[in-house]
This record gives sequence, C-alpha cells and structure tokens, in this order.
Amino acid sequence: DAKTTQPPSMDCAEGRAANLPCNHSTISGNEYVYWYRQIHSQGPQYIIHGLKNNETNEMASLIITEDRKSSTLILPHATLRDTAVYYCIVRARSNDYKLSFGAGTTVTVRA
Amino acid sequence: GAVVSQHPSWVICKSGTSVKIECRSLDFQATTMFWYRQFPKQSLMLMATSNEGSKATYEQGVEKDKFLINHASLTLSTLTVTSAHPEDSSFYICSATTLPGQYSNQPQHFGDGTRLSIL
Repeated sequence: DAKTTQPPSMDCAEGRAANLPCNHSTISGNEYVYWYRQIHSQGPQYIIHGLKNNETNEMASLIITEDRKSSTLILPHATLRDTAVYYCIVRARSNDYKLSFGAGTTVTVRA
Repeated sequence: GAVVSQHPSWVICKSGTSVKIECRSLDFQATTMFWYRQFPKQSLMLMATSNEGSKATYEQGVEKDKFLINHASLTLSTLTVTSAHPEDSSFYICSATTLPGQYSNQPQHFGDGTRLSIL
C-alpha cells in the first residue's frame, strides 16, 4: 500500500473549518484513501473514504486532487470535541482489508 | 450502525495470568476482525487478522502461542494473552469489517479498546 505523509500537528479555531492535508504521491489506481481519527484513550473512529471523487458525509468532506497524489479532509465547523489524532491511510481494494497506521496529525481545536 | 463492542475496557492482573478480551460486532456480521496493539505515544500496530471459522493470520514478530485468537462466530472474536508479563501491558484494540469477500472498500469499525496492565 502507498505511504502517506501528514503534518505532525495542527491547531484550529473552534467554529472554523479545519483543513487537514495528506500526501500520497505513490498511490496506485486501485487504492482508496481512508481517514480515521482517534480521540485520547479510545479506539479509532472511521470518518470517510474515497477513490477519486470528492466525498461528503455528516462528519466531513474529502477532497482528492485530480492526480490523486494528495487529499484534504475538511471538518466544516471544528468543535473542541474534534481534538484528536487524524490518520490518513491508503489501502488497496484487495481481499486482506489491512490498514497501516502512521503517526497521523494531532489536531488541537482551541476555543 | 456498525458498532463494535470490546470487553473489558480495563483490566489489571498479576504477572503470569492469562487474560481474555472479547470483541463483538453488535449490528452487523463480521467475517473479518483485526487485533491491534498501541503503546503510549505510538500509533496502532496490527497484530493479527481473524477470519470467522479459520485460523488467524499473525503479523511478523507477533507470537501466535502467546496471543491466542478465536473467531468462532460472525459476531465474536476473542484475544487471549497467555501468561501475561509487564511488557504485555498495552492498549489492545479490535476492529471488524462489514462485508465479506474480495475487492471490498468497506471501512473497518473499531472497538473502544482494552487497557491491559500487568503488575
């Protein structure tokens, strides 16, 4: 699976949009981009995933560049409860389902 | 939907004890479950993949005789840490997928983890 690169940390203002970048320049055609987050002392929470089209759900939006080498997770109105480590993971659409977690981005939402 | 329950959430026991952790998919059938371990200030590390009705597949470096995994039904997988020692103290997390078969892009859904402390 392709490797991803994320900034180690970000600060965001409460109520503002939070834009979390992820680089995956070696992504191949059958690999999806998944985003998870982990709030302290809890299991990871699935946020969103996509292949090449932009995706939106009740939690966030995922914007994938046309060449698919990078993506951005957008939290439209960050709240204090969005403070967490956010993981961007690229996974092939294969039959082993494995996810490989990197260091992620520690997002701190400030009042 | 897609709720995964893990039990217990916290366990403290003496060195040499065996500890069993349960992972249940509450509202879906999970043919594949995963077990992860997370040490403080580190990311999740996959330990093993568990498929219903078959033997688990362990990642390199994970002792299968120490970490026994059973996935006897479509809603339950268990991890037993045998003869646990202080170095086994960690945060253990399970996850499950909603659909079986190949070429699925369905996400994994995670339990809330079990914090294991061995004295």
